[in-house]
Amino acid sequence: NAGVTQTPKFQVLKTGQSMTLQCAQDMNHNSMYWYRQDPGMGLRLIYYSASEGTTDKGEVPNGYNVSRLNKREFSLRLESAAPSQTSVYFCASSEPGQGNIQYFGAGTRLSVL
Amino acid sequence: QQQVKQSPQSLIVQKGGISIINCAYENTAFDYFPWYQQFPGKGPALLIAIRPDVSEKKEGRFTISFNKSAKQFSLHIMDSQPGDSATYFCAASLQTGANNLFFGTGTRLTVIP
Repeated sequence: NAGVTQTPKFQVLKTGQSMTLQCAQDMNHNSMYWYRQDPGMGLRLIYYSASEGTTDKGEVPNGYNVSRLNKREFSLRLESAAPSQTSVYFCASSEPGQGNIQYFGAGTRLSVL
Repeated sequence: QQQVKQSPQSLIVQKGGISIINCAYENTAFDYFPWYQQFPGKGPALLIAIRPDVSEKKEGRFTISFNKSAKQFSLHIMDSQPGDSATYFCAASLQTGANNLFFGTGTRLTVIP
């Protein structure tokens, strides 16, 4: 039982390149989330998916797109990476009604040069 | 605008001492207040949580104190141990909707032997 799995763990991009961060959960959760973590800023919500087939913007959605591929998978895409998107990205999942507990993956450390 | 304000940013405590981290919120509709613990290179994990109908919740050495009228809550770690050294995040959310968490900026705790 892996929980929430994120790939890749590390990535270096050049400004303007694109990439997709992958996230999969095996807990049969309906809700999934993407956060970014920056020093002194805590975790900020980028996008979330309350259930399969739905996605909504969070606090900092600009420059990102998401796809809820199926109930297990929720991907985050950077179409044209910028240095300001250098951050650690976390995916999380939860099941509404089970105490609001969000389970996090180990993160993807992204550097944009 | 930070919906949950957390202090201090960093904290150094001697082994066996008490660690105290404070948080404040503005939105009176919040009805779930968790604390997450994050070790280096890992994702955050739920440590303890409280709902506003109680003023205190204790789990082992960890206690949440909640003051609804002041819109403040705090985490107390009794008999702090070097293994408690981590970053702690307070958060708040609504039980309805997508259960999005609003995180504080984090407190880096170091417990010295």
